[in-house]
Amino acid sequence: DIVMTQSPDSLAVSLGERATISCKSSQSVLHSTDKRTYLAWYQHKPGQSPKVLIYWASTRESGVPDRFSGSGSGTDFTLTISSLQAEDVAVYYCQQYFSFPRTFGGGTKVEIK
Amino acid sequence: EVQLVESGGGLVQPGGSLRLSCAASGFNFKIYSMNWVRQAPGKGLEWLSYIIAGSDTIYYADSVKGRFTVSRDNAKNLVFLQMNSLRDEDTAIYYCTTSNHYLDHWGQGSVVTVSS
Repeated sequence: DIVMTQSPDSLAVSLGERATISCKSSQSVLHSTDKRTYLAWYQHKPGQSPKVLIYWASTRESGVPDRFSGSGSGTDFTLTISSLQAEDVAVYYCQQYFSFPRTFGGGTKVEIK
Repeated sequence: EVQLVESGGGLVQPGGSLRLSCAASGFNFKIYSMNWVRQAPGKGLEWLSYIIAGSDTIYYADSVKGRFTVSRDNAKNLVFLQMNSLRDEDTAIYYCTTSNHYLDHWGQGSVVTVSS
């Protein structure tokens, strides 16, 4: 199974400042045939369902503000919120869809400082 | 608009069974793979199961393999999760999701509580 490790567990950032979340996979999630990276990021707000923010490691889902960006390759990935807004308070998860079982990182809770 | 509505959750005793349903609308259900994901209280997201459009490929997490069974009815736009031999640690919110490789649409969740 591919183990996804996120850091930090929690993060407090001032409004308008940058938030950076790291995700590492225990093996590469880059598919050798189609050259795609099978990594997604989800946002989960209290009382709501999770929603996808980023897929293929760096493609922003339709409607997601451009302050959210994903980067990385192979086994090391980053989700960046360039200018934190109050509505971004949530838990963020990375997930690999390269192989079964699908696996999530442990989550990073983002709060306002 | 894609809609996924889970139902069938509730309180059940350890060792008991429940069947969750997920009603899908707003997309061509019969060509989409589907998943079940859960979140236990105070824990993160856990993927549970995947079923391909034609039901001929199915995967489970080790934590539920042999106890949970996923199925679907493409004529009625429904996907099911039959949960047997339930344990305290199965207490969670259960979500169904569409599967465009990644998990692109999620239902609102159904709460399952396993307790005596």
